[in-house]
Amino acid sequence: NAGVTQTPKFQVLKTGQSMTLQCAQDMNHNSMYWYRQDPGMGLRLIYYSASEGTTDKGEVPNGYNVSRLNKREFSLRLESAAPSQTSVYFCASILRSGQNYEQYFGPGTRLTVT
Amino acid sequence: RKEVEQDPGPFNVPEGATVAFNCTYSNSASQSFFWYRQDCRKEPKLLMSVYSSGNEDGRFTAQLNRASQYISLLIRDSKLSDSATYLCVVTSLNYGGSQGNLIFGKGTKLSVKP
Repeated sequence: NAGVTQTPKFQVLKTGQSMTLQCAQDMNHNSMYWYRQDPGMGLRLIYYSASEGTTDKGEVPNGYNVSRLNKREFSLRLESAAPSQTSVYFCASILRSGQNYEQYFGPGTRLTVT
Repeated sequence: RKEVEQDPGPFNVPEGATVAFNCTYSNSASQSFFWYRQDCRKEPKLLMSVYSSGNEDGRFTAQLNRASQYISLLIRDSKLSDSATYLCVVTSLNYGGSQGNLIFGKGTKLSVKP
């Protein structure tokens, strides 16, 4: 049981390049999330997918697209990377039981855009 | 007013000290509350949920005051291994309607010294 996995762990891009961050979970969770974390800003929600086949914008969606490929996988794409997208990206999946939540995070992708 | 506010710290305390973290939230409709712990360059991990009646887990005690929209975390007998950033988390109805996605505070950094 690997939990939430993310690839790659590190990436350096030049401005204008594109890339896809991959995320997978093996816990059969319905909901999956992409966050970015910047110094002094905390974790901010980019996009989420409440269930397979649905995706919605979070707090900071501009410059990103997502795909919920199946129940396990939720990818984040940067079509034309900008220096402002330098950040640590975390994928997460959530288990809900009534008002109880347990959110599992992947180890993160450290992205630098030059 | 930001949805979740925390004192950023850092809190520098000696081993064995008692330390308290506070958090306020702006959305009175928030239903669920949590404390997460994040070690340097690692993903956040759930520390404990916060219940209206208050709850304790070993050296950790969490309290919720819905009237004041205030959450606290008390750590007794601090250990070196408690050094981390502590994130206050509440559910938000801004994203996902009734789903209640999680909104993270920016975190309070704790450093426990020998």
